[in-house]
Amino acid sequence: NAGVMQNPRHLVRRRGQEARLRCSPMKGHSHVYWYRQLPEEGLKFMVYLQKENIIDESGMPKERFSAEFPKEGPSILRIQQVVRGDSAAYFCASSPQGLAGTGANVLTFGAGSRLTVL
Amino acid sequence: AQKITQTQPGMFVQEKEAVTLDCTYDTSDPSYGLFWYKQPSSGEMIFLIYQGSYDQQNATEGRYSLNFQKARKSANLVISASQLGDSAMYFCAMRGSARQLTFGSGTQLTVLP
Repeated sequence: NAGVMQNPRHLVRRRGQEARLRCSPMKGHSHVYWYRQLPEEGLKFMVYLQKENIIDESGMPKERFSAEFPKEGPSILRIQQVVRGDSAAYFCASSPQGLAGTGANVLTFGAGSRLTVL
Repeated sequence: AQKITQTQPGMFVQEKEAVTLDCTYDTSDPSYGLFWYKQPSSGEMIFLIYQGSYDQQNATEGRYSLNFQKARKSANLVISASQLGDSAMYFCAMRGSARQLTFGSGTQLTVLP
């Protein structure tokens, strides 16, 4: 039973290029979350998706960032025209149900994708 | 709005001793969940323990226990009998009505031989 799979694990881009990060949730999980971790900081929520729907994108920068979770295939976090400040670890997590209140639903995280912008 | 505060950027503990990592939270939600995750140097996020706001007893998972004091809005993680492999970054997180986790800034724990 594979966990949350993220690829690539490491990605190097030059300023102005595009970065695409992929996330395959755990089998049976239909809820995907993306988080960003800047160096020496905690994880910051970016976006929450279900299949074909964006549920909450309150943590996404307004420009250059987009996310999708198509009916078939992995979830994609896309960063256009990357800048040095986008250098970070991007974590994907999944859960079988949406998170709410005291429910013990646990987010299972992938190993992260580390983006370096030169 | 939810907020998690971890006031200890770094902690040291001798092997085999117990250590407490502090976490305080702020929320107006009547029901919420509290989590601790471990992030070793390899970078992955590993779930450790969960506490629901209505749970009567403190959560325990092996050597991990959560000292939940609701009135103080604290959810400290206690690691007993520390091992060298416990050296890692530890994050406290909470979930309320917002359907995502809010994380603290983390505590770097170093276990000394």
